[in-house]
This record gives sequence, C-alpha cells and structure tokens, in this order.
Amino acid sequence: DTAVSQTPKYLVTQMGNDKSIKCEQNLGHDTMYWYKQDSKKFLKIMFSYNNKELIINETVPNRFSPKSPDKAHLNLHINSLELGDSAVYFCASSDRASGNTIYFGEGSWLTVV
Amino acid sequence: GESVGLHLPTLSVQEGDNSIINCAYSNSASDYFIWYKQESGKGPQFIIDIRSNMDKRQGQRVTVLLNKTVKHLSLQIAATQPGDSAVYFCAENENFNKFYFGSGTKLNVKP
Repeated sequence: DTAVSQTPKYLVTQMGNDKSIKCEQNLGHDTMYWYKQDSKKFLKIMFSYNNKELIINETVPNRFSPKSPDKAHLNLHINSLELGDSAVYFCASSDRASGNTIYFGEGSWLTVV
Repeated sequence: GESVGLHLPTLSVQEGDNSIINCAYSNSASDYFIWYKQESGKGPQFIIDIRSNMDKRQGQRVTVLLNKTVKHLSLQIAATQPGDSAVYFCAENENFNKFYFGSGTKLNVKP
C-alpha cells in the first residue's frame, strides 16, 4: 500500500487555468506538507499543516491555496497558472511520535504551456 | 569517490567502490538530520537519519557522519551498486520545525 499518494502524477495545462493536486497519507501522521522541486532538483517547502491547521506558509503566491479537510488529506489548488509554476510538486507527511521523519509521495509533474 | 555538494553536483564512481557524499548545513541549532535518495521519476526516500547527540550512525551499507563543529554531514555508501545511482539530499531540522533540504548530489555508478 502506498503510504503517501498524490494525484495526478502528470498534468499538462495552459497558462491561466486553475488546477488541483490531491494528496492522501495512510500513515496516521499529524503533519502534512507540500514541497516544490524545480528543474535543478532544489526542494523547497511551500506549506505545512498540523492536524488540519496551517503552520508553515513559505512566501508562496496566493494563487496557491492548500486545503486540509482532515489530517490524512492535503490538497493543493493553483489558480491562474503561470509558466514558472512548472515543477514537480511533492506531498509529504511526518509525525513527531514517529521521530519526525518526512515521507514523500511520488510527485506530481506539472507542466504549464 | 567523494563529492563536496554544491561544488561537485555529480559524483561518478565505479561499481564496488565506496562513495562519500558531503553536505554543509547552515543552522547550528539544527538537531536532526536525514539523508534522502531520489531516483529518477520518484519521490525522495528516507535512507538514514542522525540526531545531534551522535556523530556517527550506521545502516546497511550506509554510514552517516555528523560534525557539528563545522556543520558538516556526510553519507558513506559501501560497495556502491548500480541501484545506488540517484540524487542524494541532506535535510536539516530544528526542534521539529520545517526541514531544509540541501541542493542535492547526483551519484552516477559506472558498471
């Protein structure tokens, strides 16, 4: 069973569109994240939620809006997509009780054309 | 073979040799460190971790060394195999706050 799963894996869309990426974790973790990985493989945190509450928001444009309906899900909605949004987006989760190791999903490859 | 992170983003080693991947971290208050392996087309996978009260930790074929004095972390892979080819990231964490990831080093294992 996949611990952290995100959909879709690949997404090609036009500039100006609105799209969402969904994430679910079955590890029972209390913290979930969205990371963005650019073409140079640099991983940068975007958001972090703990028990459905936003705890980290790293100067991300407000076109990006995370939503956590429950602690097992963290979705990412992006409005008015721009070329520079093209990247791989990784969902991840962690839990203090488990030593706070972050477990990543397989990534969602977003290409904006 | 040995890398110095940002100055040598690709490390090429011969199969069977030992590999050393280096990472310089920035926050002297960081108390937890993880090495991740990212294969092409996949998400980063946990390899090994170490807390700041230790200076060495061993796993299966991997060893992490922590030098807090110079804020340096290294990952040693013994008897490197083709399946070890990937990008390796170090990550630092302070007091359960967000993780900061290094820029990554690509390990290329030649058969």
